[in-house]
Amino acid sequence: EPEVTQTPSHQVTQMGQEVILRCVPISNHLYFYWYRQILGQKVEFLVSFYNNEISEKSEIFDDQFSVERPDGSNFTLKIRSTKLEDSAMYFCASSRDGPRHQPQHFGDGTRLSIL
Amino acid sequence: SQQGEEDPQALSIQEGENATMNCSYKTSINNLQWYRQNSGRGLVHLILIRSNEREKHSGRLRVTLDTSKKSSSLLITASRAADTASYFCATDAIQGAQKLVFGQGTRLTINP
Repeated sequence: EPEVTQTPSHQVTQMGQEVILRCVPISNHLYFYWYRQILGQKVEFLVSFYNNEISEKSEIFDDQFSVERPDGSNFTLKIRSTKLEDSAMYFCASSRDGPRHQPQHFGDGTRLSIL
Repeated sequence: SQQGEEDPQALSIQEGENATMNCSYKTSINNLQWYRQNSGRGLVHLILIRSNEREKHSGRLRVTLDTSKKSSSLLITASRAADTASYFCATDAIQGAQKLVFGQGTRLTINP
């Protein structure tokens, strides 16, 4: 069964550094998402992406965050200047259609640790 | 907020027993979904129930939806040790939203 894959599985970065989290969504999916989960807390929506543009973003997704689909297969989340509070699991998800019609398929996440 | 809120927060039962988890939400929805998360892993989609459906089955899973009460339940029958995980409900708003809103989850432990 096709899967969403994320790399790296664990990223350790110094505060203030830039990080790029990478995702390969399922190939025939059209909608892409990033979520995060701070340890022990619920999963929070960050951003959705469709037709090469952001379709919705949360208040968490401020100017330090950006997303890109550079080559038609990868979907990346960049954090320009990381803060301690960015430490979390970051999950990429994709769906063939929007969330009101189709389930979202999640990757196993990238654990981001900011030192 | 259209947050889904699950209860109980934690549930511990013996293998073979049934486990019931509940979810409440606040706004009108298109559908409600249940996901499982094993420790340190991603979310696995279990079942999607649309707002015009009242009950849905998938293997040992049974989901109900009561839109008048804005609540849903997930029943796992004949539980197994491998069912040990956190279970989340997630909703999408009926107007325009391209996101899922997750509840806090129920931590289910199945004791052998």
